[in-house]
Amino acid sequence: DAKTTQPPSMDCAEGRAANLPCNHSTISGNEYVYWYRQIHSQGPQYIIHGLKNNETNEMASLIITEDRKSSTLILPHATLRDTAVYYCIVRVALGGNTGKLIFGQGTTLQVKP
Amino acid sequence: GAVVSQHPSWVICKSGTSVKIECRSLDFQATTMFWYRQFPKQSLMLMATSNEGSKATYEQGVEKDKFLINHASLTLSTLTVTSAHPEDSSFYICSAPDRRQGEKLFFGSGTQLSVL
Repeated sequence: DAKTTQPPSMDCAEGRAANLPCNHSTISGNEYVYWYRQIHSQGPQYIIHGLKNNETNEMASLIITEDRKSSTLILPHATLRDTAVYYCIVRVALGGNTGKLIFGQGTTLQVKP
Repeated sequence: GAVVSQHPSWVICKSGTSVKIECRSLDFQATTMFWYRQFPKQSLMLMATSNEGSKATYEQGVEKDKFLINHASLTLSTLTVTSAHPEDSSFYICSAPDRRQGEKLFFGSGTQLSVL
């Protein structure tokens, strides 16, 4: 699987947008970009994923550059409950071993009042 | 989203004993499940891929005789930590892909194992 690079930590003011960057310069054409987050002592929670188009759901927006070498996860109005470790992962969207998620170190987002 | 249930949430055991952790997909079937381990302040590390009706596939460096995986049905995978030692103390998490949602992976809530 392609590797990703994320900043180790970020701060964000409550109510403001949180923009979390991710570099995945070696991504393959059939690999998706997935974002998960993990709140302390819980299992990871799916946020969003995309292939090449920008995506939006009720939790966040995902902006993927045209060359697909980087992406940004946007939490439009961060709350204290969004404090977590955010993982950017590239993955082939198939079952079996090709569908496994390999986690990097992620970005610890601290939302402050 | 789909629900993956993991049991128990936490377990304390004596050194030398075996501990079984269950992972169930409650509202979907999963021919594959993934087992992870996480040490404090570290990321998740993939241990193995559980395959229904066949042998599990272990990642490099993970002892298959130490971490026994059984995927007996389309909704249940178990991880048994055999002859547990204090260094096996960790947070164990399972996940399963839901084909109804494009193979999106859903995670259990994790099991905190403490070996005394």
